Amino acid sequence: DAGVIQSPRHEVTEMGQEVTLRCKPISGHNSLFWYRQTMMRGLELLIYFNNNVPIDDSGMPEDRFSAKMPNASFSTLKIQPSEPRDSAVYFCASSLDRGMNTEAFFGQGTRLTVV
Amino acid sequence: SQQGEEDPQALSIQEGENATMNCSYKTSINNLQWYRQNSGRGLVHLILIRSNEREKHSGRLRVTLDTSKKSSSLLITASRAADTASYFCATDSGGGTSYGKLTFGQGTILTVHP
Repeated sequence: DAGVIQSPRHEVTEMGQEVTLRCKPISGHNSLFWYRQTMMRGLELLIYFNNNVPIDDSGMPEDRFSAKMPNASFSTLKIQPSEPRDSAVYFCASSLDRGMNTEAFFGQGTRLTVV
Repeated sequence: SQQGEEDPQALSIQEGENATMNCSYKTSINNLQWYRQNSGRGLVHLILIRSNEREKHSGRLRVTLDTSKKSSSLLITASRAADTASYFCATDSGGGTSYGKLTFGQGTILTVHP
């Protein structure tokens, strides 16, 4: 299995532009997570999907952020408009929800720089 | 806010020595997990300990869990330079449809000198 695949690996964009991050979870996994990592705030959970349905989006910082999971093999995280403070590494992770005691598998991340 | 808090924030040791990292958390948990992150890479799962377990081993890793103190420790024995990385604890406090929702600590940066 190729693991969780994220694209792009690096993104540099100008303030105000729309940014779309993509994630392909591990086949068969039914839970998907988007995290953001910064030096100041560490790893923050942004949103969590289970069986393609958003379960908890309380970590989404503001309305500029949105996430979708149209099917079991694809998810997007969109920032519109982007701001310099959105610069961070964004990770997607997936897991097989077997009830309790589930480990997460992470992608390599997308390093976003907003200038 | 972060559920887990790691201690120390940074640890520097010589190859062959043991490394111990601690994690404290605030709410009741289903399980606690430890992850490793090499610079510029994603997180890799190391070990999971359930709330009803007190100790678990995996190779050179030993994890303990004290639910009464809401704390866990990760011990890496006979460390190697290749163990240099950041180590994170993560707690799973979810229920219902929220199992698997992890909250991460700030991490411990481990440097092992050859």
